[in-house]
Amino acid sequence: KNQVEQSPQSLIILEGKNCTLQCNYTVSPFSNLRWYKQDTGRGPVSLTIMTFSENTKSNGRYTATLDADTKQSSLHITASQLSDSASYICVVSPRTTSGTYKYIFGTGTRLKVLA
Amino acid sequence: DVKVTQSSRYLVKRTGEKVFLECVQDMDHENMFWYRQDPGLGLRLIYFSYDVKMKEKGDIPEGYSVSREKKERFSLILESASTNQTSMYLCASSYSSGTTSYTDTQYFGPGTRLTVL
Repeated sequence: KNQVEQSPQSLIILEGKNCTLQCNYTVSPFSNLRWYKQDTGRGPVSLTIMTFSENTKSNGRYTATLDADTKQSSLHITASQLSDSASYICVVSPRTTSGTYKYIFGTGTRLKVLA
Repeated sequence: DVKVTQSSRYLVKRTGEKVFLECVQDMDHENMFWYRQDPGLGLRLIYFSYDVKMKEKGDIPEGYSVSREKKERFSLILESASTNQTSMYLCASSYSSGTTSYTDTQYFGPGTRLTVL
């Protein structure tokens, strides 16, 4: 069964510290993996997208890594800011031959950055 | 900037009522999606549309229908609302680039929090 699991469920860090969020998936065959940031009461916003041939992608202080062999991805946040407080969602898409869209969402990691 | 708007941020309806949720995007995207988001379950796809008047069922279509009469507008309809449809509803759109369309980024609206009493 195609699944996406994220850890930890929640995380509290102090402003200025770094943190790493994990995403493990069992989706096969794999097409691409995305990380989204969702502020409370808002829709998700895309941070990065990686295909199977990419193993790292950066967007400012956010760096995503992908290991397609172990089916793991991580999102590293450098020098955290209060505005980083949000839920971070990992989304994996399987490769399809029909062109049908499929996005499998993790349940997210809720990050709280404290001053 | 891509803009996806949803007709209401908060909505309260009674059991049995017919409910319409509207979504409009301004970037001429071919693909539009409706999801619901519940705590601990993540986003689940209800329906999506890849062209005007075209639709496909997602993972949880039961109790819902959709309408796409114009490219920019995608409506979600709850024919007879029930309490288990209380949820956050998110609309998204994306550009379709052909065979690699599954890599295209989805842009989400702000969501509609629906409560069915």
